[in-house]
Amino acid sequence: AQSVTQLGSHVSVSEGALVLLRCNYSSSVPPYLFWYVQYPNQGLQLLLKYTSAATLVKGINGFEAEFKKSETSFHLTKPSAHMSDAAEYFCAVRTGAGSARQLTFGSGTQLTVLP
Amino acid sequence: EPEVTQTPSHQVTQMGQEVILRCVPISNHLYFYWYRQILGQKVEFLVSFYNNEISEKSEIFDDQFSVERPDGSNFTLKIRSTKLEDSAMYFCASRDRGNPQYGYTFGSGTRLTVV
Repeated sequence: AQSVTQLGSHVSVSEGALVLLRCNYSSSVPPYLFWYVQYPNQGLQLLLKYTSAATLVKGINGFEAEFKKSETSFHLTKPSAHMSDAAEYFCAVRTGAGSARQLTFGSGTQLTVLP
Repeated sequence: EPEVTQTPSHQVTQMGQEVILRCVPISNHLYFYWYRQILGQKVEFLVSFYNNEISEKSEIFDDQFSVERPDGSNFTLKIRSTKLEDSAMYFCASRDRGNPQYGYTFGSGTRLTVV
């Protein structure tokens, strides 16, 4: 079964520092992968998605992720963290087939940005 | 940008009571979903709905749960007799079609508290 694992439930970075949030996938077929962000008391907002086109995917708010098949990874990065990036980030993989397709989420990474 | 709308944003109910959570998916979307997130835990799939029937459900989605699309715009989740462990944030999502280029759009959620 397809799944994603997020390494690190909490990540702290200083404002202006590189953000790196890790996600590894398990899949026997080419996966479709997503990153979502959840700000406090809000819903899930799509940051970016990989759908087997370019391996480097650019998303909103300056985030990007690179699909690396050799490492089964889809890590999320941002060159310079802002205070407003503090949120929970979820990696997800599309699972199922046909009309039963759905998203399966990782356990999430809480990002704290220190002044 | 089109949105998925969920009402109410917060609901408090007594154990054993029935609750109905409401969602208005994006108007031309064909696939509908309910997910839940217990406080501090990962987002979990509950059910997917397509062509007026359930296409997939998780083990969480037992006989206490039901979904309905009563008209052309609403998509509801009913919990027949709520338990304390049903307390969670419930997210509705919708998707245009099978191509993953068309992402999953989530609503802001309904926080359900069972007392």
